[in-house]
Amino acid sequence: EPEVTQTPSHQVTQMGQEVILRCVPISNHLYFYWYRQILGQKVEFLVSFYNNEISEKSEIFDDQFSVERPDGSNFTLKIRSTKLEDSAMYFCASSEASNTGELFFGEGSRLTVL
Amino acid sequence: AQSVTQLDSQVPVFEEAPVELRCNYSSSVSVYLFWYVQYPNQGLQLLLKYLSGSTLVKGINGFEAEFNKSQTSFHLRKPSVHISDTAEYFCAVSEGNNNDMRFGAGTRLTVKP
Repeated sequence: EPEVTQTPSHQVTQMGQEVILRCVPISNHLYFYWYRQILGQKVEFLVSFYNNEISEKSEIFDDQFSVERPDGSNFTLKIRSTKLEDSAMYFCASSEASNTGELFFGEGSRLTVL
Repeated sequence: AQSVTQLDSQVPVFEEAPVELRCNYSSSVSVYLFWYVQYPNQGLQLLLKYLSGSTLVKGINGFEAEFNKSQTSFHLRKPSVHISDTAEYFCAVSEGNNNDMRFGAGTRLTVKP
């Protein structure tokens, strides 16, 4: 069964460093997402991406964040200068079409900022 | 925009007891509804979903949920829980015109022996 894969599963970084989280969505999916879950809190929407551009972003997704689809398979989330409060589990998701409403999630990448 | 409210942050129950985890949503358009389960230190696993059709949907692990449009609810139920059902449960909604899914705050289900 096709699945969304994320790397790394866990990354530890120093405050101020740049981090790139990688995702390989399901191959025929067209819509891509990043969500964040701070430890013990709810899953929060960050950004959605379609046709090589951001379609929607939350207020969390400020100038420190960026997303990119550098090739036909990867979808990346970059945090330019990490802060302590960026420590969280980051989930990538993808969906097939705009009106099915169903997202398929990866296992998550845990980011720890020291 | 759509939003989700999970009324109970924690639900403790004894093994083999029935359980209901409550979820209410708000949206101005038609919605799709989901329940996800998150076991400790793991990712999100889809339990069940309502896209259309029958309002009673059955999912994995013996869970089911009923979509009630008039009450804007999508409560999750299981007639007899196991210790292994201990986890965090998230209700989520997406609107029919886009795929941006929004999650509730989660309900921590703790099943005690």
